Amino acid sequence: EDQVTQSPEALRLQEGESSSLNCSYTVSGLRGLFWYRQDPGKGPEFLFTLYSAGEEKEKERLKATLTKKESFLHITAPKPEDSATYLCALKYGNKLVFGAGTILRVKS
Amino acid sequence: ETGVTQTPRHLVMGMTNKKSLKCEQHLGHNAMYWYKQSAKKPLELMFVYSLEERVENNSVPSRFSPECPNSSHLFLHLHTLQPEDSALYLCASSQDYAGELFFGEGSRLTVL
Repeated sequence: EDQVTQSPEALRLQEGESSSLNCSYTVSGLRGLFWYRQDPGKGPEFLFTLYSAGEEKEKERLKATLTKKESFLHITAPKPEDSATYLCALKYGNKLVFGAGTILRVKS
Repeated sequence: ETGVTQTPRHLVMGMTNKKSLKCEQHLGHNAMYWYKQSAKKPLELMFVYSLEERVENNSVPSRFSPECPNSSHLFLHLHTLQPEDSALYLCASSQDYAGELFFGEGSRLTVL
């Protein structure tokens, strides 16, 4: 059973069309949830860390939220430069498990 | 230089070659990692070094051999690879083991 599931696999948005990406998990004893952005052919870039349910973090057009079972990455009024793959990763115990990612394409 | 630097960025090798990937971090971190990224698959953890000691080896074939001579440098030695080993190999570092990861740009490996 997958411990981390990201949905949708791919998302196409028009510029300015707000939406959310989902990261759901089944592990217990969560010690942190991380969001990363990855551009094609490059390494993932760290965005946020969330530690407890109810926590929120914001950066420019991105806002990450966390509940006991899932995290959302909200993208408000996206621009073409927001196009990338967004990865979430969970830390439990001393393990770090990545999801498969959501590929986001924003068209102008 | 800042951050995590990986060389080479691209590598093409035959199945009988021996090559090495290099990673250097300038962040003063204590842990370093090798990940494999294949198309449409989650990042796969290969090796972790914490304070220069290997702490994880996730059933990686012996044709991959890591080396961590000090806390700033990490190598991945490659020999007699298979075509299915073609992937993006990512190096990362974190302040502490399993903390926030900072990745390099990756080394794109193609095995012919």
